[in-house]
Amino acid sequence: GQQLNQSPQSMFIQEGEDVSMNCTSSSIFNTWLWYKQEPGEGPVLLIALYKAGELTSNGRLTAQFGITRKDSFLNISASIPSDVGIYFCAGYTGANSKLTFGKGITLSVRP
Amino acid sequence: AAGVIQSPRHLIKEKRETATLKCYPIPRHDTVYWYQQGPGQDPQFLISFYEKMQSDKGSIPDRFSAQQFSDYHSELNMSSLELGDSALYFCASSLEAGDTQYFGPGTRLTVL
Repeated sequence: GQQLNQSPQSMFIQEGEDVSMNCTSSSIFNTWLWYKQEPGEGPVLLIALYKAGELTSNGRLTAQFGITRKDSFLNISASIPSDVGIYFCAGYTGANSKLTFGKGITLSVRP
Repeated sequence: AAGVIQSPRHLIKEKRETATLKCYPIPRHDTVYWYQQGPGQDPQFLISFYEKMQSDKGSIPDRFSAQQFSDYHSELNMSSLELGDSALYFCASSLEAGDTQYFGPGTRLTVL
């Protein structure tokens, strides 16, 4: 089945730094979604991407839908302590309504 | 803005008992999805409903069933609970099938 690859599993950055996360697949996706999850809570939608090449911002977050439709990245600029959490990429292939998730990247921000 | 509502937020059951989880989608969203998330795992898709009909099925055990009602709320029924069923269960909703999914806060099920 389709898989989304996110690595590394954990990232540690200093407050104020920028960080970039990639999500790749061997399959073509026609929608990419980025979610943030905090412990014991539901995933919160950060950015949704619907077209190849699309670049979308949400405050300090920027995400792009790769031109090959097999990857996406999320950038967080000027990180702050509340950026701590697990960042999941997810996507639809269009074959059905199942959303495929990556394994997530746990982000830690040192004050 | 209104979000997805799930109840209960926490549930403790004994092995072999049954549990019912409820989900109220965002108003005007007609598609509901159920996910199971174990510790340190990504959400695993269980089942989805569009306009009260089952639309897709994932790794949902035969002991589990779900339905969507005329007011679009959904219930996940879990029988013969096992220790391994302990997890966070999320409901998500979208405007249409295959549209952006918005997740609820989850129900933490603990099976003792």
